[in-house]
Amino acid sequence: AQSVAQPEDQVNVAEGNPLTVKCTYSVSGNPYLFWYVQYPNRGLQFLLKYITGDNLVKGSYGFEAEFNKSQTSFHLKKPSALVSDSALYFCAVRDRTGNQFYFGTGTSLTVIP
Amino acid sequence: GAGVSQSPSNKVTEKGKDVELRCDPISGHTALYWYRQSLGQGLEFLIYFQGNSAPDKSGLPSDRFSAERTGGSVSTLTIQRTQQEDSAVYLCASSTGGLAGNTIYFGEGSWLTVV
Repeated sequence: AQSVAQPEDQVNVAEGNPLTVKCTYSVSGNPYLFWYVQYPNRGLQFLLKYITGDNLVKGSYGFEAEFNKSQTSFHLKKPSALVSDSALYFCAVRDRTGNQFYFGTGTSLTVIP
Repeated sequence: GAGVSQSPSNKVTEKGKDVELRCDPISGHTALYWYRQSLGQGLEFLIYFQGNSAPDKSGLPSDRFSAERTGGSVSTLTIQRTQQEDSAVYLCASSTGGLAGNTIYFGEGSWLTVV
């Protein structure tokens, strides 16, 4: 069965410090992996995705994520956090045989000024 | 359209009434998804449409929930005899479909409150 885990409900980081939001997945075969961000009272916005190729994927707003097949992880990272990055972040996975997307429970990121 | 459009953006309804939520996907997108997000919760898959194929209804929580997609474009999610536990944000998303690593794009959601 396909699933995604975001082990941290809440992440706090000081402005200017690097941030990491964790995601691990379970899927048969090679996955497609996605990160979305949700600002308060808004829908989800696409940040980045891993399909194939380079394990380091760069996306919107300076975010990047690293696909690690051996650890089945796809952690979201940013070298220097901004207060405006404070939001809810969702990791999602899709296997290559179907169209369903499986979302994690979300991680609330707070960047402290 | 430029993005996924959902209406109404907010709906307050009395317990027991029926509600309809509308989703207009991005033009040309053949795949359409409905998700539910309860306060402080993750996304709960409800239903998936792909072209003219039979929809995947495996996520609908009860027979009070139904959805249709007319002409392969606009979709309506209907909740009959609403209950307070139906209060949530209903998110629609669309994608180009197919088996490639297509991205799904979300609308702003319909915020449903059942009183």
